[in-house]
Amino acid sequence: QVQLVQSGAEVKKPGASVKVSCKASGYTFTTYDINWVRQATGQGLEWVGWMNPNSGNTDHAQNFQGRVTMTRDTSISTAYMELSGLRSEDTAIYYCARTKPSGSGWTLFDSWGQGTQVTVSP
Amino acid sequence: QPVLTQPTFLSASPGASARLTCTLRSGVNLGGYRIFWYQQKPESPPQYLLNYYTDSDKHRDSGVPSRFAGSKDASTNAGILVISGLQSEDEADYYCAIWHNSAWVFGGGTKLTVL
Repeated sequence: QVQLVQSGAEVKKPGASVKVSCKASGYTFTTYDINWVRQATGQGLEWVGWMNPNSGNTDHAQNFQGRVTMTRDTSISTAYMELSGLRSEDTAIYYCARTKPSGSGWTLFDSWGQGTQVTVSP
Repeated sequence: QPVLTQPTFLSASPGASARLTCTLRSGVNLGGYRIFWYQQKPESPPQYLLNYYTDSDKHRDSGVPSRFAGSKDASTNAGILVISGLQSEDEADYYCAIWHNSAWVFGGGTKLTVL
């Protein structure tokens, strides 16, 4: 079955960077886009960006302009999201999520990782 | 003003129906968007429920009961999720989402309490 397994919790100082991994299994990694979505404690969902694991093409929400980098290592079916210039407001659970095309022109988030808690604290 | 606005809380009794709304910002035309709904339970990632574009173009995920239904209300520019025959297991956070200006946008979520 499809599984996305993320790396463990991180604690970082303001201004530092964090890199979260998302290892895919149960399907061909390069076939479906990987997205990143974050959720601050008790708050809603915020889309960070997406990556095409085949081409390496990425795009991201304007809020993260210049701070987020999404990469992949296809040899180990793993996607990465690196966020730099961390501030306290970046404290959140970061999820990777696969988007699957419906065949009718739309896509949905059909599988999610378990989430990675990133805490930014002095 | 956010692109998508959801009421923060909603409560309903077991067996009753709950109507969750997702209002698009003025100027964002409901007719042009497919509205997606996700359910999130504590300590778990969200799970896809269904999406709605029109009565003839909608989709419910396999395993999601038919008592979950999506629709639109053009008069209020809102996507609607109706859950009929509420059960205790329906108590969760519900998020709507759209693909808008080449980005996924989520509503703030509605916490549904079944009591």
